[in-house]
Amino acid sequence: GENVEQHPSTLSVQEGDSAVIKCTYSDSASNYFPWYKQELGKGPQLIIDIRSNVGEKKDQRIAVTLNKTAKHFSLHITETQPEDSAVYFCAASLNEKLTFGTGTRLTIIP
Amino acid sequence: NAGVMQNPRHLVRRRGQEARLRCSPMKGHSHVYWYRQLPEEGLKFMVYLQKENIIDESGMPKERFSAEFPKEGPSILRIQQVVRGDSAAYFCASSRTGTSGSGFYNEQFFGPGTRLTVL
Repeated sequence: GENVEQHPSTLSVQEGDSAVIKCTYSDSASNYFPWYKQELGKGPQLIIDIRSNVGEKKDQRIAVTLNKTAKHFSLHITETQPEDSAVYFCAASLNEKLTFGTGTRLTIIP
Repeated sequence: NAGVMQNPRHLVRRRGQEARLRCSPMKGHSHVYWYRQLPEEGLKFMVYLQKENIIDESGMPKERFSAEFPKEGPSILRIQQVVRGDSAAYFCASSRTGTSGSGFYNEQFFGPGTRLTVL
């Protein structure tokens, strides 16, 4: 089955700087890659996703890139703000089942 | 438009009791997924259901766990004879359809979760 690895597990960034989180997946047939933000005590919130027919997608301060050949995808957050502090999860999907990475705890330092 | 609703938010059970978790999908969504999250870990897929059908239960333990999504009412995840290892957060997600006409997967939106504690 699919296996997703996510790095780093923790990341501290000065407010205003950029943050990058990277994931790799194992099944080349996976075709959908969402990113979720989870705040303490809450459910995961979908923040951006990318499908295998595109290489990059951007939504305001958030962007995701996908390299199908290398089987890795990344989340980029620019101009970070304190409210960006949370745990971020990447996931890969073939059919309907999401396989999640182990999460990155992002801390924005004011 | 209300999001995915789960109840209860917190559930405490003693070993050997039954736990019943409920999930109401977003309006217009007919696909429901259950995931389990252990402390400090990612989410693990358990089961995927459509109305009155289990589509994929490959992530659900064969013993003590069952799930349903009846024609009317919420989806139910049932855990019989709970053990301490069942303590976790259980999240439900819903989507509009499983796979779009293009073959791609439709977005899953998650509920707030039920935090199960087994004493």
